Amino acid sequence: DQQVKQNSPSLSVQEGRISILNCDYTNSMFDYFLWYKKYPAEGPTFLISISSIKDKNEDGRFTVFLNKSAKHLSLHIVPSQPGDSAVYFCAVSAGNNRKLIWGLGTSLAVNP
Amino acid sequence: NAGVTQTPKFQVLKTGQSMTLQCAQDMNHNSMYWYRQDPGMGLRLIYYSASEGTTDKGEVPNGYNVSRLNKREFSLRLESAAPSQTSVYFCASSGLNYGYTFGSGTRLTVV
Repeated sequence: DQQVKQNSPSLSVQEGRISILNCDYTNSMFDYFLWYKKYPAEGPTFLISISSIKDKNEDGRFTVFLNKSAKHLSLHIVPSQPGDSAVYFCAVSAGNNRKLIWGLGTSLAVNP
Repeated sequence: NAGVTQTPKFQVLKTGQSMTLQCAQDMNHNSMYWYRQDPGMGLRLIYYSASEGTTDKGEVPNGYNVSRLNKREFSLRLESAAPSQTSVYFCASSGLNYGYTFGSGTRLTVV
């Protein structure tokens, strides 16, 4: 049973608009949450993260929101650009072993 | 550039052949990981090494072995390749924070 769910396999957005990618998790003990971006034929790259003591973290066009009561986090990209077209993975961590649990990814297409 | 280096980038094997995927990192990270990525399956952990001298199974370890040769290097071995092991393999490392650094991947086809 998946502990981290990204329910939308794909998302299409117009350039300049907001992209919202969602992720749900099952275990309230998860304490650190990350988003990674992956282009074809490359490894995933770290994008942004948030710890469970916060509800928002912002880095330029990227903002991650955490709703602990709903066990839900989201990634907002504003404004979206064609170069943002990639697969986005949500990952969570529980404890100190640094091992991450991954969602299946959402493929984002930003159309010019 | 600092990072994670994987070799080879592409490989075709016949069923039953063996091979070793190499991974090295130069960031002085303690932890290293091997993942496979298959369509619709996301990233699945094969093995990981929390520190030099230790290795542990992940979600899908069957058919694989690993060696943490030293702090820098973590290799993945397929003793007898099967078509089900056709996949893209990623090595990653992590240090004191939670961020992983990934290699660029090895695309393996077993025929």
